[in-house]
Amino acid sequence: GESVGLHLPTLSVQEGDNSIINCAYSNSASDYFIWYKQESGKGPQFIIDIRSNMDKRQGQRVTVLLNKTVKHLSLQIAATQPGDSAVYFCAEIPHTGANSKLTFGKGITLSVRP
Amino acid sequence: NAGVMQNPRHLVRRRGQEARLRCSPMKGHSHVYWYRQLPEEGLKFMVYLQKENIIDESGMPKERFSAEFPKEGPSILRIQQVVRGDSAAYFCASSPQGARTEAFFGQGTRLTVV
Repeated sequence: GESVGLHLPTLSVQEGDNSIINCAYSNSASDYFIWYKQESGKGPQFIIDIRSNMDKRQGQRVTVLLNKTVKHLSLQIAATQPGDSAVYFCAEIPHTGANSKLTFGKGITLSVRP
Repeated sequence: NAGVMQNPRHLVRRRGQEARLRCSPMKGHSHVYWYRQLPEEGLKFMVYLQKENIIDESGMPKERFSAEFPKEGPSILRIQQVVRGDSAAYFCASSPQGARTEAFFGQGTRLTVV
């Protein structure tokens, strides 16, 4: 069936390094993708989104890359900080109508070493 | 502009009781989504509502669960005759124009069934 999944369950990076979090999606009909960050005990926080007519989108310290050929989405965080430690989710919406819903992947934990 | 407000933050219910979870969307947002999250897992879609209408309830269990979003007041997720398996974090998100726009999440209600 269609699914959104993440390659690795955990990622540990050194403070100051760049982080890359990867996500594979299988629904070729998806045309809108969002990355969320969830800190312990809190709700998901919107980070950045990208539509399928784009390959790359940049925010503050974050970049999302979309490769539709291999159905791959990645989130790059520059100069990772301790405050970036959280669980990151990729989510997709299939292009099946205006009322489609966000489907979340399982999540990957980012741990920043001081 | 206050964010998405959910209450209560924590709710304890005995088996067989009813749980009522409230969600006030952001001002100007008429689309509300409810998600459930089990520990160490992603968010599972439950229901999507617009004012006074249920748009998609494909993720809602057929029995004991119901949701509403009245013309006035918050959206309510109601769980009747709760069982231990209902213990989870329930998140509400709102957006101004439906799924393909940025959806903001509340801090969630953590339901514990004892």
